[in-house]
Amino acid sequence: EADIYQTPRYLVIGTGKKITLECSQTMGHDKMYWYQQDPGMELHLIHYSYGVNSTEKGDLSSESTVSRIRTEHFPLTLESARPSHTSQYLCASSGPTDYTFGSGTRLTVV
Amino acid sequence: GQQVMQIPQYQHVQEGEDFTTYCNSSTTLSNIQWYKQRPGGHPVFLIQLVKSGEVKKQKRLTFQFGEAKKNSSLHITATQTTDVGTYFCAGWDSGTYKYIFGTGTRLKVLA
Repeated sequence: EADIYQTPRYLVIGTGKKITLECSQTMGHDKMYWYQQDPGMELHLIHYSYGVNSTEKGDLSSESTVSRIRTEHFPLTLESARPSHTSQYLCASSGPTDYTFGSGTRLTVV
Repeated sequence: GQQVMQIPQYQHVQEGEDFTTYCNSSTTLSNIQWYKQRPGGHPVFLIQLVKSGEVKKQKRLTFQFGEAKKNSSLHITATQTTDVGTYFCAGWDSGTYKYIFGTGTRLKVLA
């Protein structure tokens, strides 16, 4: 079934650790996005990609980086996690008429 | 910059009451989508409106796209506790082709 998958679903890590949040979609979408969202709050776009080898920073400044080596895969990496990175991270992809979110990764940095 | 504001930010209603959230864009949108996000969940697509003045219904939900394609509304008739969540509008900006999310309206329904 065509869908978008994020792993892990929950993650608790110590300050200073490097982490990678995974996002994969099987819909063949060229456009993919990462959002950061605190509970009940707005969605903030932190990175997006319009295709392989294309990545751009979003509206919200972020210390994370992304890569897009394959169409279906759009991982997000934090080189050195801090408590201020505690949040939910949502991956999404879009086609001509649809915009689909993954289930999200809830990250807690202690 | 481009903004899509939603009002109200929060709304508490008694079960059975109606609810409306308004979505206002500073720029023209080529189309608009509405999403519902349950507490702890992720945004789930509800509906898309494309035409100026378009009105669509889904059971107790009525969606409207403004004539100028800069605003939209979602109306829920006779709310139920299952309607609890945050409702987001979003759309493609006609000029920049960026996809912009609204600020969201958080609905609580009191039984």
